[in-house]
Amino acid sequence: GAGVSQTPSNKVTEKGKYVELRCDPISGHTALYWYRQSLGQGPEFLIYFQGTGAADDSGLPNDRFFAVRPEGSVSTLKIQRTERGDSAVYLCASSLGGGRRPYEQYFGPGTRLTVT
Amino acid sequence: GQQVMQIPQYQHVQEGEDFTTYCNSSTTLSNIQWYKQRPGGHPVFLIQLVKSGEVKKQKRLTFQFGEAKKNSSLHITATQTTDVGTYFCAGEGGGTSYGKLTFGQGTILTVHP
Repeated sequence: GAGVSQTPSNKVTEKGKYVELRCDPISGHTALYWYRQSLGQGPEFLIYFQGTGAADDSGLPNDRFFAVRPEGSVSTLKIQRTERGDSAVYLCASSLGGGRRPYEQYFGPGTRLTVT
Repeated sequence: GQQVMQIPQYQHVQEGEDFTTYCNSSTTLSNIQWYKQRPGGHPVFLIQLVKSGEVKKQKRLTFQFGEAKKNSSLHITATQTTDVGTYFCAGEGGGTSYGKLTFGQGTILTVHP
């Protein structure tokens, strides 16, 4: 079956521009997560959706970052006024559920964002 | 906030040698998960530990969760070149942190044939 897909795979943008990164989770997975991974580091949690709602957005670094999941499936991570420090690989993951019962997370291939 | 520390940062071994990576959390965890990331790839789930003192084995891999649920380890017996990659532990805090994984910085394993 299809895994988690992310588009685009690479995105180069100029400082100050707006970008959208898309994640298509595994069909039937109700939980969706966004992480950011810098070189040599582990994934850093950004936000977690359970269905359509953001269950935990405590990892979003500032108000330039926003994510939506309007129909409980595809999610878009939106970054306004990009800065060079936003350059990283943005990973999306999905799982069957969330909350008190832990589920393994399936990661997508990531979007490599470069801000010049 | 919760922090997860992982050591060592790098480990170089000869094929056939054993390998261990250690993970320590600043707070008690509800569960811990281990992931492997190959060079240029994305993290792939290996295992999940939930109970205090739990030990799980997958072929040559042995995973342990500490009694206090604050530390964990991954041990690989007789490494092979296919074991190359970065191994991450990721802890879930529970309470208001359910669903949120905090990853360690990973241990990069190199295996020399």
